[in-house]
Amino acid sequence: AQSVAQPEDQVNVAEGNPLTVKCTYSVSGNPYLFWYVQYPNRGLQFLLKYITGDNLVKGSYGFEAEFNKSQTSFHLKKPSALVSDSALYFCAVRDAGNFNKFYFGSGTKLNVKP
Amino acid sequence: EPEVTQTPSHQVTQMGQEVILRCVPISNHLYFYWYRQILGQKVEFLVSFYNNEISEKSEIFDDQFSVERPDGSNFTLKIRSTKLEDSAMYFCASSGGLAGGRNIQYFGAGTRLSVL
Repeated sequence: AQSVAQPEDQVNVAEGNPLTVKCTYSVSGNPYLFWYVQYPNRGLQFLLKYITGDNLVKGSYGFEAEFNKSQTSFHLKKPSALVSDSALYFCAVRDAGNFNKFYFGSGTKLNVKP
Repeated sequence: EPEVTQTPSHQVTQMGQEVILRCVPISNHLYFYWYRQILGQKVEFLVSFYNNEISEKSEIFDDQFSVERPDGSNFTLKIRSTKLEDSAMYFCASSGGLAGGRNIQYFGAGTRLSVL
């Protein structure tokens, strides 16, 4: 069965510091991995995806994520956090054979303090 | 930038009543989805829809649920007889027709359903 886990309910970081939001996955076959961000009263916004190719993928708003097959992880990173990055972040996976269904993690609340 | 729109933003209903949640997907998209998020829990897949039929559904999507694309723009989720446990945020999503475009799902802001 496909699933993702986000082990941290909340991540706190000071503005200007690097941030990491963790995600591990379990999928049969090759994983298609995604990060979405949810601001208050808004829908989920696509940040970035990994399908194939370079393990380091770059996305919107300066975010990047590193695919690590041996550790089955896809952590979201940013070198220098902004207060405006404070939001709820969701990792998602679908397997290569079924594009219909995304499996989302439980979400990680990122708090960036000035 | 084109976006998925959902109405209403908040729906309050009595247990046992029927509700219809409405979504207008991005205009050139071909694949449509409904998800729900119970407060404090993860986003859960409900159903996907393509070519005027359901292509996949989860175990949550039982006979109380139905989806429809009544015209060229709307995509609706109907819950026939609501239960207290149907209270959740319901998200509509759509994705494009090309192989690459299918990979990215674009989400609406959600409809919060409160069943009393």
